[in-house]
Amino acid sequence: QVQLQQWGAGLLKPSETLSLTCAVYGGSFSGYSWSWIRQPPGKGLEWIGEITHSGSPNYSPSLKSRVTISGDTSKNQFSLKLSSVTAADTAVYYCARVGSTSGWWYWGQGTLVTVSS
Amino acid sequence: QSVLTQPPSVSAAPGQKVTISCSGSSSNIGKNYVSWYQQLPGTAPKLLIYDDNKRPSGIPDRFSGSKSGTSATLGINGLQTGDEADYYCGTWDSSLYAGVFGGGTKLTVL
Repeated sequence: QVQLQQWGAGLLKPSETLSLTCAVYGGSFSGYSWSWIRQPPGKGLEWIGEITHSGSPNYSPSLKSRVTISGDTSKNQFSLKLSSVTAADTAVYYCARVGSTSGWWYWGQGTLVTVSS
Repeated sequence: QSVLTQPPSVSAAPGQKVTISCSGSSSNIGKNYVSWYQQLPGTAPKLLIYDDNKRPSGIPDRFSGSKSGTSATLGINGLQTGDEADYYCGTWDSSLYAGVFGGGTKLTVL
């Protein structure tokens, strides 16, 4: 059974860097792509980006200048960094595993990140 | 503004059937597989449908998916009160080179 467990700071000040890590348990890390997805309070899902099975990142065009996603195959973990955060970045952030053909199959528990001065 | 368009809400009585639409374009739904998610309050989304119309193990066959052109539809038969949730469609956009989601549909079982 694949499980994703994520952690990171939940309260940031404007201009700081958001940093989250997601650990994968019970399944293969290599061979899959891994995504970060966020959900502002009361709003819908927004794809942030992914690290592909080949180790290449893809980012949302609207966040590309501020996002870095990396993977560590030795630890079965992947991470998200989002720089220069503002209140608009306040959201629940999820990590998720991409399916072989489509879909985000397994999700982390979510981390509420609040940006406030 | 979401790339994929869903109705904000739908409702139906217990035991009835409901459909939720998801409209996109030739660069996303028209070219790539669609998946659907159920999100209960305070929880992470759960995959219901992948590859347009396939169900993961453990998802009841009351849930179905279909696609035609640049639109996709989620169907839920035999509605139960436990089906009350937000539902999202998602896919890949080959022009944006990014994952995209619909804005979500709130299902109310009256």
